[in-house]
Amino acid sequence: DAGITQSPRHKVTETGTPVTLRCHQTENHRYMYWYRQDPGHGLRLIHYSYGVKDTDKGEVSDGYSVSRSKTEDFLLTLESATSSQTSVYFCAISDFGTDNYGYTFGSGTRLTVV
Amino acid sequence: GQNIDQPTEMTATEGAIVQINCTYQTSGFNGLFWYQQHAGEAPTFLSYNVLDGLEEKGRFSSFLSRSKGYSYLLLKELQMKDSASYLCAVRVAGFQKLVFGTGTRLLVSP
Repeated sequence: DAGITQSPRHKVTETGTPVTLRCHQTENHRYMYWYRQDPGHGLRLIHYSYGVKDTDKGEVSDGYSVSRSKTEDFLLTLESATSSQTSVYFCAISDFGTDNYGYTFGSGTRLTVV
Repeated sequence: GQNIDQPTEMTATEGAIVQINCTYQTSGFNGLFWYQQHAGEAPTFLSYNVLDGLEEKGRFSSFLSRSKGYSYLLLKELQMKDSASYLCAVRVAGFQKLVFGTGTRLLVSP
């Protein structure tokens, strides 16, 4: 039973439209992250959260916003999608204070902006 | 800044041993992780090193030298299912987040 789920799994959207990706966890972990993965770049951090309503920017945050109104949900919004945001998006959770497993990843969302 | 380097691609034969290297330069260090990622899937945890030395877990071992900014992942008795990407990631001191290398794609042939 997966402790972290992402939705949708696949999405095709048009340039200029807003898009929201959802990450839901049942592990009650404090930390949640959004990464994007692109060939040649690996996983790059977009935004992360260290508690309800507590978020911070990662290295590639331009064009993205996040919200965390509940411990279990972390939303990633592309304000106005561009073709450069075509990517695979991974959500991850962690509880660094209590285990040494680093992250648990969601299954990913493949987003195509046309 | 943070910089993590790993080879882009490696090939090996079933039953052999392969070593995947990772070097890092980060502003502070609080642990190094290895993840395995099969094509089209999410990364999954393989190993964690925070002190110098070798950590062994079945066919997989991981080594860390903090003074050299160096780690390797050793895979023994390679199987076809080991064909995947292997991601090196560093936890930067003072931050609850990981910085990833670009990954090493390993192809195991019969």
